[in-house]
Amino acid sequence: QQQVKQSPQSLIVQKGGISIINCAYENTAFDYFPWYQQFPGKGPALLIAIRPDVSEKKEGRFTISFNKSAKQFSLHIMDSQPGDSATYFCAASMLEPISGANSKLTFGKGITLSVRP
Amino acid sequence: GAGVSQTPSNKVTEKGKYVELRCDPISGHTALYWYRQSLGQGPEFLIYFQGTGAADDSGLPNDRFFAVRPEGSVSTLKIQRTERGDSAVYLCASSPRAGSGGNEQFFGPGTRLTVL
Repeated sequence: QQQVKQSPQSLIVQKGGISIINCAYENTAFDYFPWYQQFPGKGPALLIAIRPDVSEKKEGRFTISFNKSAKQFSLHIMDSQPGDSATYFCAASMLEPISGANSKLTFGKGITLSVRP
Repeated sequence: GAGVSQTPSNKVTEKGKYVELRCDPISGHTALYWYRQSLGQGPEFLIYFQGTGAADDSGLPNDRFFAVRPEGSVSTLKIQRTERGDSAVYLCASSPRAGSGGNEQFFGPGTRLTVL
């Protein structure tokens, strides 16, 4: 059973447009939801993350929207640029209750975003 | 400062051989994670260290896989009797102590393992 599911599988957007990537999760015990960006030959890099006590978080051109009741969250990339072309992964984990330290991340399969000039 | 480094960047071995993959975390990070990423898939958790001890090794696929972190810094992932299905990119990540921005996991570039 796949605990974190992403959609769509691939996305093509024109420069300046909005890229929207969706993620659904199964385990209601998850309480940390990051989005990672990965370029070929590189490790994933954190873009933005959210906790379930807020419904939206914005950092620059990147926004996470979180819907706890639907067990879904999404990444919006505003003013998409060709340099944003990469693979994007949503993930989820349970923070350790006392220390707040991160435990294992469960990743989605990833989506390939292409931003056309 | 330096990020997470992994060596070697590429490793080609023959079926049945033993391999060791090394991870140097960011200095001062107490948590260290190993993941495996197959082509076209997201990273899959293997094992997580807090300090020297394995806090969670539930992702290790079988007893051919073993990891150590003897001094709480560098970690080595060891794979015995390699199989073709072990071919993947092995990623290492580290995270600072909780309470000092402890949530983010910083990933290294990975070691690409190819088992012929």
